[in-house]
Amino acid sequence: DVQLLESGGGLVQPGGSLRLSCEASGFTFSSYAMSWVRQAPGKGLEWVSGIRGSGVSSTYADSVKGRFTISRDNSKNTLDLQMNSLRAEDTAFYYCAKERYSSTSAPFDSWGQGTLVTVSS
Amino acid sequence: QSVLSQPPSVSGAPGQRVTISCTGSSSNIGAGYDVHWYQQLPGTAPKLLIYGYINRPSGVPDRFSGSKSGTSASLAITGLQAEDEADYYCQSYDSSLSGSRVFGGGTKLTVL
Repeated sequence: DVQLLESGGGLVQPGGSLRLSCEASGFTFSSYAMSWVRQAPGKGLEWVSGIRGSGVSSTYADSVKGRFTISRDNSKNTLDLQMNSLRAEDTAFYYCAKERYSSTSAPFDSWGQGTLVTVSS
Repeated sequence: QSVLSQPPSVSGAPGQRVTISCTGSSSNIGAGYDVHWYQQLPGTAPKLLIYGYINRPSGVPDRFSGSKSGTSASLAITGLQAEDEADYYCQSYDSSLSGSRVFGGGTKLTVL
């Protein structure tokens, strides 16, 4: 069974930094693109960033470009999201999600349970 | 304002059929990019319900079906059950946004 387990969430002050991690198991991690998707409390889903299986190519939503960095370690089956210059509007549950197949419009067929990031003074 | 538009809420009685629309534009659905649907039960992570407009992952009941028409997609749920009460999101890709997957704003389904 595919399992995705996020960690690293917490309370951080505006302007601060936080690093999220996602530990993957149950599939050949390096073969699949991965993304981070967030959801502000009581709001809808927002794609944040994605990275190809090789780790060579990554993309970002305009709302986080220049502040967030996605990375992966295929030897450890982990996906990370380094978040800098955090703002109140970054407060959300952050989900790690696996793409079902390799395509620009691929669906996310497995999701972690989410980790909550709260940006507040 | 989401790139993909969904009705905020829909409702139906047990056993009835409901549909949820997802309206896009020429840079996403109209450009031929696939649409996928997710179900999010209260307090849980989203779950893939339909992918590539019409395909159901293993384990998803055939009461759930998807379709496409022009720059829109729809999710239909037949034989409505109380356990179907959830938020539903459509998702696609938008070529006008850098590398961007896009989601609809979500639709709250209430089973009366």
